[in-house]
Amino acid sequence: GENVEQHPSTLSVQEGDSAVIKCTYSDSASNYFPWYKQELGKRPQLIIDIRSNVGEKKDQRIAVTLNKTAKHFSLHITETQPEDSAVYFCAEGWSGTYKYIFGTGTRLKVLA
Amino acid sequence: KAGVTQTPRYLIKTRGQQVTLSCSPISGHRSVSWYQQTPGQGLQFLFEYFSETQRNKGNFPGRFSGRQFSNSRSEMNVSTLELGDSALYLCASSLGTGTGLQPQHFGDGTRLSIL
Repeated sequence: GENVEQHPSTLSVQEGDSAVIKCTYSDSASNYFPWYKQELGKRPQLIIDIRSNVGEKKDQRIAVTLNKTAKHFSLHITETQPEDSAVYFCAEGWSGTYKYIFGTGTRLKVLA
Repeated sequence: KAGVTQTPRYLIKTRGQQVTLSCSPISGHRSVSWYQQTPGQGLQFLFEYFSETQRNKGNFPGRFSGRQFSNSRSEMNVSTLELGDSALYLCASSLGTGTGLQPQHFGDGTRLSIL
């Protein structure tokens, strides 16, 4: 079935702390996993992505890990800043279907 | 490069009417996908077009349709509007070719309100 579970739905952290958001997918054929950040009233923006042949990818304070066996992938934000406050969406896709399934989003609040 | 452009930004319609939304992809991008975003539901996939062909479709009623033109611009149409169609409609473009899925880039969306 087509389903991506995303947890938690809301997350509050103190500035400087780390934040972790986890997504679980159901289709073992999925091979592309992007993460989007959507600030209030703005468009979703791609912040990092990972393909199924890689277990981890990092870009400055942001990292994504993928566990294909358990079918879950996680977004890690270190040294959080107030400007990290937004809604984060995970998504999964697989070649040949040209279709992405999105999680329901995590509202991250970074408290100054 | 200019980003993905959606028009109009806001639209107010009444039940039973129909509406057409437009999306111009990033130059060179040939794939256009449409999503419906509502609070608590995230982004729901509507359909994807590439070279004027619909390659996949989500679980939406037939009132939702789309098309793509030879210049890759895309339109989606919703007929017989219902109150539940009120949402932000997002368009995303990607190269659409190459090995594996390519990153999608979103427009600002069209906010549709049904009265």
